[in-house]
Amino acid sequence: NAGVTQTPKFRVLKTGQSMTLLCAQDMNHEYMYWYRQDPGMGLRLIHYSVGEGTTAKGEVPDGYNVSRLKKQNFLLGLESAAPSQTSVYFCASRKPLGTKNTGELFFGEGSRLTVL
Amino acid sequence: AQTVTQSQPEMSVQEAETVTLSCTYDTSESDYYLFWYKQPPSRQMILVIRQEAYKQQNATENRFSVNFQKAAKSFSLKISDSQLGDAAMYFCAYRSAGGSNYKLTFGKGTLLTVNP
Repeated sequence: NAGVTQTPKFRVLKTGQSMTLLCAQDMNHEYMYWYRQDPGMGLRLIHYSVGEGTTAKGEVPDGYNVSRLKKQNFLLGLESAAPSQTSVYFCASRKPLGTKNTGELFFGEGSRLTVL
Repeated sequence: AQTVTQSQPEMSVQEAETVTLSCTYDTSESDYYLFWYKQPPSRQMILVIRQEAYKQQNATENRFSVNFQKAAKSFSLKISDSQLGDAAMYFCAYRSAGGSNYKLTFGKGTLLTVNP
C-alpha cells in the first residue's frame, strides 16, 4: 500500500550542483504535481502533469525542470541549485479523469532539500 | 486567479474544547471544491474534510465540521473535543470544477496548538 513515494527524503547540496527528486505512485493516477513548502508561504505549485509525456508550469517554475516519461513517475530536476531553492518538496497525485472525483490530492511524505 | 486566505497564522485551544479555523477564498466560479488538510510534525499531508460547492449541506467527519458560506466565500473548520493529536498545521485549499481544475490552491496555513 505504498501510495506516493518520494526519494530522497533529505538532501544537502552546494550552490550550483544538480539533483533530481523522484516521485512514484502506484494508484494509476493521471495527474501528478510538485509543490514546494516554505514557512509562511503554504504550498506553491512548481510544475504538474496531466498525463504521461506531458508537463506544464505552475506558479513558481523557474529553476526547475520536470519529466513524466512513465505514468507512475514524475521527476523534478534542479540543474543548478540555489540557496533560494532550500525548501520541503511535496509530490502529489490525483485520481484518473472520468471517475467521480472531488480533486483530493494524495501526497508523498516530502523531501527536505538544503542548498548551501 | 483564485486565492485562498487564512487570516490566523496561529491558534491555540485547550484539550476537549472547540476551536474554529478561518478560511476565505476569492473566485468568480460557481462550481468548485474546498478542502482542509492537516500537516502534523511528521510532515505528512492528510485530508481532513472536503466540501463540494454545489452542496448546501455542510460536510462533517466525526469531530471535524465545516461552516461553508458560499455567498461570503468563507469555509471555516470547526474541531470539537480537541485532542492532543489535533496539533498540526492546517491548510485550506480550493480547486475549480471547471477548465482549470488541474490545480489545488492552498492558503498559507494555520498552526494549531492543543494545550493539555
